[in-house]
Amino acid sequence: EVQLVESGGGLVKPGGSLRLSCAASGFTFSHAWMSWVRQAPGKGLEWVGHIKSKGDAETTDYAAPVKGRFTISRDDSKNTLYLQMNSLKTEDTAVYYCVTEQPWFDPWGQGTLVTVSS
Amino acid sequence: DIVMTQSPDSLAVSLGERATINCKSSQSVLYSSNNNNFLAWYQQKPRQPPKLLIYWASTRESGVPDRFSGSGSGTDFTLTISSLQAEDVAVYYCQQYYSTPRTFGQGTKLEIK
Repeated sequence: EVQLVESGGGLVKPGGSLRLSCAASGFTFSHAWMSWVRQAPGKGLEWVGHIKSKGDAETTDYAAPVKGRFTISRDDSKNTLYLQMNSLKTEDTAVYYCVTEQPWFDPWGQGTLVTVSS
Repeated sequence: DIVMTQSPDSLAVSLGERATINCKSSQSVLYSSNNNNFLAWYQQKPRQPPKLLIYWASTRESGVPDRFSGSGSGTDFTLTISSLQAEDVAVYYCQQYYSTPRTFGQGTKLEIK
């Protein structure tokens, strides 16, 4: 069974940092392009960024609101995706989903909540 | 960036009736070399992650009921639920994967009338 399990969410102050992880199983993670998608409370879906497979040079792309603050990385030996979030702002408060790009988004993890508040 | 605009923002339909949700992209998401539209539809129920319904604009994901169908090409797309069931109450999103950044429509909330 394909599974994505996010962890690492929590409460952080503005200007702080947080690292999210996504443990993947049930598919060949090393071949997959992986994205992070977020959803602010009561709002729609927003793509955060993605990392391509090693075969595609592990290229990363980011949405404008997070570029320069967030970094996506992967450890194929651990089947794990990461999202390092620095200089967090209150508007980064959201549920963060880990998703596989096929190139459509499927499957999705259950998400992890990040709250940025003083 | 490709802007995705859905209409309407919300929709109330009687059980057993047809529901239609539209999605318009600010530029074509049709890849001419393979004639595929790089567009997907998702369903999100409360407190759940989104679920893939349709990809390549009209290909139904395995396990999705055949009352769900997608159509359209280029910049104009439609998700149709032929006979609304109670379990279809959800928010529906279109999304383009033609270019980066990937972008979603704002969502359409579907309710029972």
